[in-house]
Amino acid sequence: SAVISQKPSRDICQRGTSLTIQCQVDSQVTMMFWYRQQPGQSLTLIATANQGSEATYESGFVIDKFPISRPNLTFSTLTVSNMSPEDSSIYLCSAEGLAGGQVGEQFFGPGTRLTVL
Amino acid sequence: AQSVSQHNHHVILSEAASLELGCNYSYGGTVNLFWYVQYPGQHLQLLLKYFSGDPLVKGIKGFEAEFIKSKFSFNLRKPSVQWSDTAEYFCAVTSSGGSYIPTFGRGTSLIVHP
Repeated sequence: SAVISQKPSRDICQRGTSLTIQCQVDSQVTMMFWYRQQPGQSLTLIATANQGSEATYESGFVIDKFPISRPNLTFSTLTVSNMSPEDSSIYLCSAEGLAGGQVGEQFFGPGTRLTVL
Repeated sequence: AQSVSQHNHHVILSEAASLELGCNYSYGGTVNLFWYVQYPGQHLQLLLKYFSGDPLVKGIKGFEAEFIKSKFSFNLRKPSVQWSDTAEYFCAVTSSGGSYIPTFGRGTSLIVHP
């Protein structure tokens, strides 16, 4: 199965700073996504990272706070801007359309655990 | 909009006990259904999926799930759990006519005591 990696795996940041999370897929994929997973809660979709165009954000998430890049079919970044303690969470990258997968089946990265002080 | 409910948030079992985790969804159309598992320290991975055909689907590690359309349910079962099944389990649904982006349930934390 495909390998999806994320960097960093964890970070502790100060309030007001920004962190960029990288996601790398070992094969070309059509769809890449960014999720947030807070303790005891479900995965919440932040946005769909579109290659060659602006990301599509879900309700409650905006580009100024979570800018996303998708320069090619194997890579994406998510930036958490002007962080506050409420942004402390696990951020997950996922991809759909990988070889061996079916429509709607997502493959996930290991996640980035972010703590904001 | 579709939604997914997992009624059991925390389940604690002894080894060899039987497991059933509930999952209900709300969507009137055709759906695809998934169970994902996240073992401690590992990333989310697909456990099993239903797209069409036999409503009883079998996944990895002896897990199975039954799609009951009339009940909007897709419960996960295993007849005899092992300590290694300790993990977080997420139910997810996509609508066949939609964007194929899944909606996830809140997750169920399963702890199996040896």
